[in-house]
Formats: sequence, C-alpha cells, structure tokens
Amino acid sequence: KAGVTQTPRYLIKTRGQQVTLSCSPISGHRSVSWYQQTPGQGLQFLFEYFSETQRNKGNFPGRFSGRQFSNSRSEMNVSTLELGDSALYLCASALPGGGEQYFGPGTRLTVT
Amino acid sequence: KQEVTQIPAALSVPEGENLVLNCSFTDSAIYNLQWFRQDPGKGLTSLLLIQSSQREQTSGRLNASLDKSSGRSTLYIAASQPGDSATYLCAVYSGGGADGLTFGKGTHLIIQP
Repeated sequence: KAGVTQTPRYLIKTRGQQVTLSCSPISGHRSVSWYQQTPGQGLQFLFEYFSETQRNKGNFPGRFSGRQFSNSRSEMNVSTLELGDSALYLCASALPGGGEQYFGPGTRLTVT
Repeated sequence: KQEVTQIPAALSVPEGENLVLNCSFTDSAIYNLQWFRQDPGKGLTSLLLIQSSQREQTSGRLNASLDKSSGRSTLYIAASQPGDSATYLCAVYSGGGADGLTFGKGTHLIIQP
C-alpha cells in the first residue's frame, strides 16, 4: 500500500507570492490533516479535511487555506507569503474516527 | 488548552543501553496518544498508537505505556542501536472536534556506536 505522498518536496518562493502544496493520502483514508513544523514553534496543526469539508482549523491567519477533492487528495494554499512562513509542511492521513495518523515526507518551503 | 511536554529534550547514550523517553500532557481527557520518530529533514514515522482505554503497546524493541489519569506516557527502547538515532515525538489527540494532534517538542536521541 503506497504511503502519503506530498508534492513538491522543495519550494523556494519570494515574499508576497502565493504557493500551493499537494497531498495524496493513503488509499481508503478520507481524513487529511496539515501541519506546519518550524524550529521555534515545533509542529502546529493547520487544518483537517474529511469528505471535502474542513472539520477543524488551527490558529493560523486566513492566508492559509485548503481544500479536499472527491478522491481525498488535498491541497493547501498560502497567499501573500511572509518570511515566517518558511517551514516544513506535513500532511497526514487517517481513517475516520481519530485513528493512527500517517505522515508524508513533507514539503520544505523557503521564503526569501 | 492541551499542552504536551517531553523530557529530556536531548539524550546521548552508548549503543546497547535501554532507555526511557518521557511525555506528559496537561488535559487527561485524551482519545489516543501516538509516538513518532523523525529523521533529519524527513517526515514523521508512526511508532506506536495507544488508545485511551489501553495501558501499553509493544512493537519489537519498543514499548509505550500510558497513564491517562496522571497525564503521562513513556517510550521504552530496549537494546538501543545507532539506527535508533532520531527525534522522538509524542502527540495526543483529544477527539470531539479537537484541533488535530498536539505535539511535544520532541527528544533528540543520539546512540553512540
């Protein structure tokens, strides 16, 4: 069974630009969550999608948004990038009901 | 608001030793707790998941325990190997519409050959 995949793996953007990251969950998993990891703040929850609906959202500004498609693939978008958005963005998938979370390799975003 | 603390922040031991990593959480009303390892620059690998009704889980040389009432979990690694070197993260899920997993800052483990 293929694991969680994320594309692209690395990204360099300039302040003010926007970026879209993609996540494909494990086959059969309908819950997809996104996390931001930085050296200072550690891992922080961004949002969770289930059956194309956002179920929960962490404490991040509205510049961070996401969506989920009917095949459970998910995208997250960050608009008007800031230097502080430089981070490893991780996606996790799970079966519904708060089961084991499986993480992808992450997308390393660098904002210059 | 749930907070997760991991002690120690870093640990360096010789190969072959048994070791214990600690995780504590402030709100005992959790749904489950999960231990992960993270290699430098990589994603998270799930090691063990403990449901709130369970006391421990074992996988190979790893054993994780959960004491929900006291807000503590431990990860026991037996006969450590250099390949165990990584950052170990503890995360709790509170369920019921909670904001995803709440992570500790991790324990950076180095096993000296």
